[in-house]
Amino acid sequence: DGGITQSPKYLFRKEGQNVTLSCEQNLNHDAMYWYRQDPGQGLRLIYYSQIVNDFQKGDIAEGYSVSREKKESFPLTVTSAQKNPTAFYLCASSRRGWDEQFFGPGTRLTVL
Amino acid sequence: KNQVEQSPQSLIILERKNCTLQCNYTVSPFSNLRWYKQDTGRGPVSLTIMTFSENTKSNGRYTATLDADTKQSSLHITASQLSDSASYICVVSENAGNMLTFGGGTRLMVKP
Repeated sequence: DGGITQSPKYLFRKEGQNVTLSCEQNLNHDAMYWYRQDPGQGLRLIYYSQIVNDFQKGDIAEGYSVSREKKESFPLTVTSAQKNPTAFYLCASSRRGWDEQFFGPGTRLTVL
Repeated sequence: KNQVEQSPQSLIILERKNCTLQCNYTVSPFSNLRWYKQDTGRGPVSLTIMTFSENTKSNGRYTATLDADTKQSSLHITASQLSDSASYICVVSENAGNMLTFGGGTRLMVKP
């Protein structure tokens, strides 16, 4: 099955802890993206990567970090510096930068 | 600043009724406009993509229209079904493959 997967589906963390969200795709897409979704708001871009070993900050990168060591994987770390991390996080990929994006199922992060 | 505004924010209709969702944008220069359907707790799934030269495009019971002059798009759902209950997100892309601008979505609930 081709697709994009995210894990875990639900994640809980204590304040002050870093946590890493997984995103994997087997679509052979070059570009990958991380978005944050809050109730009633549009998706906001956190980071994106158009090629392996390269990534760029989006609109709300503060408190987040990423890596792109493999084409298939684009993990997102939510650090303790992110002041309001509770949200729904969506990963997406596209064949090339800014082509049609295919989204994963999302991870809901709750900070306790 | 590029913006995408969707209306209404939420909508409740009875099963088998029709409805129309609106999307107004200020993104320029325009490349394309996409409508996504997002079920609760899931990632968005593409319904249609429209370029500058397209006025209307259908995908089953979903019909999207685009007026590039007035920078407006609509998504019409015919003979609604309970499974149409979801958020519908309008996304506009700038020319030359720049970033996407997401609308806040319309939350549709179809009741029996």
